[in-house]
Amino acid sequence: DTEVTQTPKHLVMGMTNKKSLKCEQHMGHRAMYWYKQKAKKPPELMFVYSYEKLSINESVPSRFSPECPNSSLLNLHLHALQPEDSALYLCASSQDHRGNGYTFGSGTRLTVV
Amino acid sequence: KNEVEQSPQNLTAQEGEFITINCSYSVGISALHWLQQHPGGGIVSLFMLSSGKKKHGRLIATINIQEKHSSLHITASHPRDSAVYICAFSPNTGNQFYFGTGTSLTVIP
Repeated sequence: DTEVTQTPKHLVMGMTNKKSLKCEQHMGHRAMYWYKQKAKKPPELMFVYSYEKLSINESVPSRFSPECPNSSLLNLHLHALQPEDSALYLCASSQDHRGNGYTFGSGTRLTVV
Repeated sequence: KNEVEQSPQNLTAQEGEFITINCSYSVGISALHWLQQHPGGGIVSLFMLSSGKKKHGRLIATINIQEKHSSLHITASHPRDSAVYICAFSPNTGNQFYFGTGTSLTVIP
């Protein structure tokens, strides 16, 4: 298995909803990442987990809450989002903190209404 | 200062043309990646390079570490190659991943 799997592929949520995005990999990668991508822009790093510990939080608002239950899973919990949070959310993983074997998921297209 | 610069930003080609996209970077890297993203889609990794040249089908990627420059070539381009191509790299230190702004390629039948 050489994939990063993200679910759901599409999500529409209201500003008062609570939802979660999921990311899974079974390549034995020990670093996992969340990115946010707006249209026609490169991805922006949100969070990095290295060996299941949060190592980078790029000043992301607290309405986004990451969780890494184990080395294969990465969640992003969403609460009280704003319409401007609508974007493609990409998960990625790599073998280690140096970025070897960087692999992207196909993303979750999030719309906040 | 941008750590990675890509050119051109936009490119339109006729089907069958040979295409080159360039990437220059300013720091030491552990690996450089070429990524492809179709409109509305996720990112697919095409190549990961730390030296030399790699070929996959009609795609060729080269890197010159001394000059801090990489190129992605597409031979016999096809409309299905229309996508955004992104150069990205992980530096020697840290686990940040730097992205270029992408090259939007349109191949016309």
